[in-house]
Amino acid sequence: QQQVKQSPQSLIVQKGGISIINCAYENTAFDYFPWYQQFPGKGPALLIAIRPDVSEKKEGRFTISFNKSAKQFSLHIMDSQPGDSATYFCAASRDSNYQLIWGAGTKLIIKP
Amino acid sequence: DGGITQSPKYLFRKEGQNVTLSCEQNLNHDAMYWYRQDPGQGLRLIYYSQIVNDFQKGDIAEGYSVSREKKESFPLTVTSAQKNPTAFYLCASTDRANYGYTFGSGTRLTVV
Repeated sequence: QQQVKQSPQSLIVQKGGISIINCAYENTAFDYFPWYQQFPGKGPALLIAIRPDVSEKKEGRFTISFNKSAKQFSLHIMDSQPGDSATYFCAASRDSNYQLIWGAGTKLIIKP
Repeated sequence: DGGITQSPKYLFRKEGQNVTLSCEQNLNHDAMYWYRQDPGQGLRLIYYSQIVNDFQKGDIAEGYSVSREKKESFPLTVTSAQKNPTAFYLCASTDRANYGYTFGSGTRLTVV
C-alpha cells in the first residue's frame, strides 16, 4: 500500500515532442504528489507538485495531471528539449507523515 | 543562500574502514534524510531524523549509523559492516509546512 509505481523505466522522445511519465499509488491517504528532476551527478530537485484537490497543474512546459479515482498521476513535458534529458522521480506523501514514498525513476532522453 | 552542503564530493574507502559523510543545512528544516542511489537505480532510504537527538532506520540501515546532535547537521557513518558501500549518497531536508525536499549535491563513495 505504500508503493508508488512509476513507468516507463526509460523513455526516448524527439526534440519538440511530448514526454509523458506515469505513476500509480494505492494509499488513498496520500495528499501530496511531487515530481523531481535529477541530472547526472547531482541531487534531485523539485520540479512541480500537486495536491488532490485539483486535477491539473501547469508550470511552463511541465504539467501534472491527477486522476484521484484511478489513483494515478502523470508528468507531461511539452515541446521537450535536449536540456530536459534527466531522470525523473515521482513521489507521494501523507499530511501526518512528511516522509516521501518514491517511484523508481524514469530516464528521459530527448533526441535532437 | 540557504541550502544543503554535502562533503566530501568524492570519497574513497579501504576495506574494513569506517568513513563519515557530512551533511549540513541552513534552511532551518526539522527533518533530514539519507538516501543511497546505485547506478541507474532509484532512491533507497537509509536513515531519517525528524527532530534533534532522534532518528529512525529506513529500508537499508544495516551497516550505517547516524547522529543528530544539532538541527543543522546529520552525518552518516558507513561502517565496515556495510559490505557493498560503493554508491552515490544523498542527503535531504524538509520543511514541515510544504513537504518539499531539498537535496544536497551528493557524495560518491568508492571502495578501493
